[in-house]
Amino acid sequence: GQNIDQPTEMTATEGAIVQINCTYQTSGFNGLFWYQQHAGEAPTFLSYNVLDGLEEKGRFSSFLSRSKGYSYLLLKELQMKDSASYLCAALDSNYQLIWGAGTKLIIKP
Amino acid sequence: GAVVSQHPSRVICKSGTSVKIECRSLDFQATTMFWYRQFPKQSLMLMATSNEGSKATYEQGVEKDKFLINHASLTLSTLTVTSAHPEDSSFYICSATMPSDYNEQFFGPGTRLTVL
Repeated sequence: GQNIDQPTEMTATEGAIVQINCTYQTSGFNGLFWYQQHAGEAPTFLSYNVLDGLEEKGRFSSFLSRSKGYSYLLLKELQMKDSASYLCAALDSNYQLIWGAGTKLIIKP
Repeated sequence: GAVVSQHPSRVICKSGTSVKIECRSLDFQATTMFWYRQFPKQSLMLMATSNEGSKATYEQGVEKDKFLINHASLTLSTLTVTSAHPEDSSFYICSATMPSDYNEQFFGPGTRLTVL
């Protein structure tokens, strides 16, 4: 079956760095997305990786290893507004998104 | 660019009534639209995928006669929850894709449905 695993909840301190891991098993693979979702709001796009390696976008970076079925989202210089759920989603061979349950990130002052 | 709107943002209705939710791609023509449901503290659950002019493809366990989807144009899809019950109370989110290298989904702001 198809499956996405990511931690349920993480806590970090304002100004610090946090890494949110995601492992996936899908029928075929056409890329991996990270979305940010604040409570009561729809998800917003953060990143897309289809090749191995690190993609950096300001304070956020995303890494992919296709051979390991593994990705992580790295958030630097954490701000209170980064408190949200972070959703990992893999695109399978049918270009259907398989969603993880999301990681709730709590930022403490 | 790539803005998706949803209407209404919130709706409260009585049990047994029907509710229609609209999803529009404002500045692009969407090849495909998706309807998701999200219960509190859970991830997105895909309900159905729809392409303009054709019948929606429903996920296993989603009743197509209860959740009617109409995708009349390349910029509009509607979801009608028929004979709503309290257990249908949820956050309904649509998304749309345009032709691209990786089919990024652009999400609408969601509709909070409460059935009394």
